[in-house]
Amino acid sequence: AQSVTQPDIHITVSEGASLELRCNYSYGATPYLFWYVQSPGQGLQLLLKYFSGDTLVQGIKGFEAEFKRSQSSFNLRKPSVHWSDAAEYFCAVSGYSTLTFGKGTMLLVSP
Amino acid sequence: GAGVSQTPSNKVTEKGKYVELRCDPISGHTALYWYRQSLGQGPEFLIYFQGTGAADDSGLPNDRFFAVRPEGSVSTLKIQRTERGDSAVYLCASSPKPGLADVNEQFFGPGTRLTVL
Repeated sequence: AQSVTQPDIHITVSEGASLELRCNYSYGATPYLFWYVQSPGQGLQLLLKYFSGDTLVQGIKGFEAEFKRSQSSFNLRKPSVHWSDAAEYFCAVSGYSTLTFGKGTMLLVSP
Repeated sequence: GAGVSQTPSNKVTEKGKYVELRCDPISGHTALYWYRQSLGQGPEFLIYFQGTGAADDSGLPNDRFFAVRPEGSVSTLKIQRTERGDSAVYLCASSPKPGLADVNEQFFGPGTRLTVL
């Protein structure tokens, strides 16, 4: 069965500092990987996705993620965090159709 | 265009009651998904429709949960004899083409927060 682990429940980053959110997955074949962001009271918004090809994928809002098959990881990065990035971030893996999500990482941004 | 909409946004009910949660997918999307998000958890899959039929209902926790999509558009998630443990945010998502790896991006609605007292 597929699964996703996000080892960090909370992360606090200073505004302007770089960010990396960790995601490890378990899946038997080539995974389809996603990062979603959820702000309070809002639905999930897709930041980026990996299906195949270049292992470094660019997303919206200045985010990027790198697929590393050898480490079963798909970490999310941003070079300079803005206060508006404070939200909960979910990594997800998909096989044929349904998504399996991690438990999420709450990002707090300090002034 | 309009995104996925869900009604009601909030629902408070008493233990043992019946509830219905509605999802309007993006127009033209053939796949529709229901997820449940409990406090402090990521969304968990419940059921997936391709057109009018349930292609995968393996995530439904028990027979108190049922969902329909009679015309291949709007879907209703039905919960009988609600229990306090059913309290969660119920998310709906739709996708333009089911099962095709390069287009199985799911677009989520804002969710319905269900509270069972």
